[in-house]
Formats: sequence, structure tokens, C-alpha cells
Amino acid sequence: AQSVTQLDSHVSVSEGTPVLLRCNYSSSYSPSLFWYVQHPNKGLQLLLKYTSAATLVKGINGFEAEFKKSETSFHLTKPSAHMSDAAEYFCVVSGSTGKLIFGQGTTLQVKP
Amino acid sequence: GAGVSQSPRYKVAKRGQDVALRCDPISGHVSLFWYQQALGQGPEFLTYFQNEAQLDKSGLPSDRFFAERPEGSVSTLKIQRTQQEDSAVYLCASSRGWGGGQPQHFGDGTRLSIL
Repeated sequence: AQSVTQLDSHVSVSEGTPVLLRCNYSSSYSPSLFWYVQHPNKGLQLLLKYTSAATLVKGINGFEAEFKKSETSFHLTKPSAHMSDAAEYFCVVSGSTGKLIFGQGTTLQVKP
Repeated sequence: GAGVSQSPRYKVAKRGQDVALRCDPISGHVSLFWYQQALGQGPEFLTYFQNEAQLDKSGLPSDRFFAERPEGSVSTLKIQRTQQEDSAVYLCASSRGWGGGQPQHFGDGTRLSIL
């Protein structure tokens, strides 16, 4: 069975400082992994995806994630946080049929 | 529009009533998914269509939940005899192809409140 675990339910950073959102995955085969962002009362927006190509994946809005098989991790980073980055972030693994399995989410707070 | 469209955005119903939620996927997208998102939780898979065929309904919580996509485009999620535990945001997503690794495009969801 596949699953993801987001290690922090809440992360708070100051504007202009780095962001790190942590995710570990469990999969019996080479996984397809995603990060999605959800702003209040909105649907989910795809930030980036990993599908067994380059292990360092660049996404939208300056976010990137590194796939580390040895650590079964797929952490999301951004060098400098912006106020507009405040939102809920989900680490997601794709099942063989394409259905998505979501982590519990990490709330990112950005302080001025 | 270019994105996934869901209607209504908000629905309030009394316990025991039937409700129907609509999803218009991106034109030409083969795969369509429904998810349920409880307050403060991540979305959970309900059901999956490839064109008009419902290939996976393992996530539907009870036989009160029913989904269809008769012409392989618009989909409707129906909940009969609603219960308070059905209160959640229902998200629809579509993708161009099928199988793992396909990015899914989400609608803004329908927030269902059962009184």
C-alpha cells in the first residue's frame, strides 16, 4: 500500500526566509509524487510532480522538491517566502490507477 | 472556461434529503475523479471514471453515494438520505490521460452542509 506522511502540521516562517515542508512516503514500487497547494475556499493547485526523471524537481512560484529514495523523502523547499505563500500544502502519492493519496497537510504561515 | 467547474459552490440540505453535485471537467480529459475533504483533513478518494466507465468506486463510503458520467464528460455525484457525517467539501478533478503520474486539475469544490 502507498502512503505519505507530512511531518509538520504547521510551519511558521518570516517573509524572505527559507521554507521547508517535510514529507516521507511509502510505496512498494517507484512512486509518482506531487505537491499541491490549497488556498482558503479554493481547489488544489499543482506545484510540482516527480515521475522518476530528475530527482530535483522545479515547480511554480519558486518551489522545488528533491526525491531521495534512500530516505523515502520528498521535501518541499523555497529559498525565500512571500506573504502569498501562506496556504495549506499537501504531499501526494499516486496509485497505479491514478487515484491520489494525500497527506494530512501542512499549514504554512508567513509572518511579515 | 479552461478549468474544472463544479456546481453548486455551496449546498445546504436537511438530514435525509438527497443532493446532486455536478462536475464539468476540462474538455477532452479522459479521467475524472471525486474526492471528499473533511474539515482540517486531506482529500480522500471516492471514485474514478475513465471516459464513461466507472473503474474504481472503492472509496464511496456507503451505498447512499452514487456517481455517474454517462457521456464521458460531465459527472454527477449523488448522495441519498444525507447524514450529518456527509458534511464536507467534495472535490472533482480531471486529467488528460490515465494511470499513475498524471497530474490532476481540481475544481474549487462544493461545500456541503447537512443540518
